[in-house]
Amino acid sequence: EVQLVESGGGLVQPGRSLKLSCLASGFTFSNYGMNWIRQAPGKGLEWVASISSSSSYIYYADTVKGRFTISRDNAKNTLYLQMTSLRSEDTALYYCARHEGYPDYWGQGVMVTVSS
Amino acid sequence: DIVMTQTPSSQAVSAGEKVTMSCKSSQSLLYSENKKNYLAWYQQKPGQSPKLLISWASTRESGVPDRFIGSGSGTDFTLTISSVQAEDLAVYYCEQYYDTPLTFGSGTKLEIK
Repeated sequence: EVQLVESGGGLVQPGRSLKLSCLASGFTFSNYGMNWIRQAPGKGLEWVASISSSSSYIYYADTVKGRFTISRDNAKNTLYLQMTSLRSEDTALYYCARHEGYPDYWGQGVMVTVSS
Repeated sequence: DIVMTQTPSSQAVSAGEKVTMSCKSSQSLLYSENKKNYLAWYQQKPGQSPKLLISWASTRESGVPDRFIGSGSGTDFTLTISSVQAEDLAVYYCEQYYDTPLTFGSGTKLEIK
């Protein structure tokens, strides 16, 4: 069974940093690209970043480019999202999702709240 | 960026009724090389993460009831639920994966009368 478990969220002040993790199990992590997708409270889905299976290809939404960094450790079956210079508009539930050409399996999400 | 427009934003139907929802893209999602439409549908029930229902515009995922039917090509797509059940209460999103950035529609909220 595919499982994706996010962690690392919380309350953070504007301008500060936070690093999210996503532990994958139930599939060969190193064979799949991965995504971070977020959902602001009561809002729709917004793609944040993608990384290919070997980290050769990385893409970001314009709204986070230069502030967020996606990475992965295939030996640890873990996906990361380093978030810096956080803004109030980054407040959202952050999902990691496996990429099978499209996001197929999603985690339960981790909440990030940016507020003073 | 490819803009995805979903209509209606919400609709209420009775159990057993047929429901259709629309998704339109600002450019074609049909890739000429393989004749595939790069369009997916997701279901998000209250308090849950999105669940993939349909990929390639019309390919139902394993375990998804056959009352969920995806159709369309190019820029116009439809999700049909042939006989709505109470457990289908959810927001339905379409998403294009033809190009980066991946983009989602704003969702159609399905309510059960």
